[in-house]
Amino acid sequence: DIVMTQSPDSLAVSLGERATINCKSSQSVLYSFNNKDHLAWYQQKPGQPPKMLIYWASIRESGVPDRFSGSGSGTDFTLTISSLQAEDVAVYYCQQYYGTPYTFGQGTKLEIK
Amino acid sequence: QVQLQQSGPGLLKPSQTLSLTCAISGDSVSTDGVAWNWIRQSPSRGLQWLGRTYYRSRWYNDYAESVKSRITIKTDTSKNQFSLQLNSMTPEDTAVYYCARASPGLANWGQGTLVTVSS
Repeated sequence: DIVMTQSPDSLAVSLGERATINCKSSQSVLYSFNNKDHLAWYQQKPGQPPKMLIYWASIRESGVPDRFSGSGSGTDFTLTISSLQAEDVAVYYCQQYYGTPYTFGQGTKLEIK
Repeated sequence: QVQLQQSGPGLLKPSQTLSLTCAISGDSVSTDGVAWNWIRQSPSRGLQWLGRTYYRSRWYNDYAESVKSRITIKTDTSKNQFSLQLNSMTPEDTAVYYCARASPGLANWGQGTLVTVSS
């Protein structure tokens, strides 16, 4: 199974500041047949299912604010929130869909400083 | 707009079978290239993918090794829904269970069902 490891486990950022979450996979999730990284990012708020923010490592899902961006390739990925808003308080997860079993990171809890 | 509506009981006794259904609107369970998944979440295990079904000229199922001996995912094309059966439930299976549509990321999720296994 591909192991997904996120860092940090928790993060406190001031409103309007940048938040950066990292995700590392135990093997490359770059698929040679389509040259795409099979990596997604999710936001989960209490009592709600996860919401997909980013897929193919860097493509923003429709309706997601452009302050959210994804980068990286191969085994190392980053989710960046350029200017933190109060509504961004949540737990964030990365997930690989390179192969089954799909696997998720352990989550990063983002709070306001 | 795709919506997934889950239904099924939330309280089970040990050894019983979990049966959950996910009704689909805004898409077809037979859409080529779309996978229909079951995922669960618990404090101890985090988000855990359980399995998926998809149609690509014929039906395919993939299951997580950890539940492979106990799980069945079925589709009902007449009702446009898919279902999860998990046998021999134990307290360790207590979790919130979600259905989700992959195309390819998990873009759409059901509302979640808290399943508690307790005697």
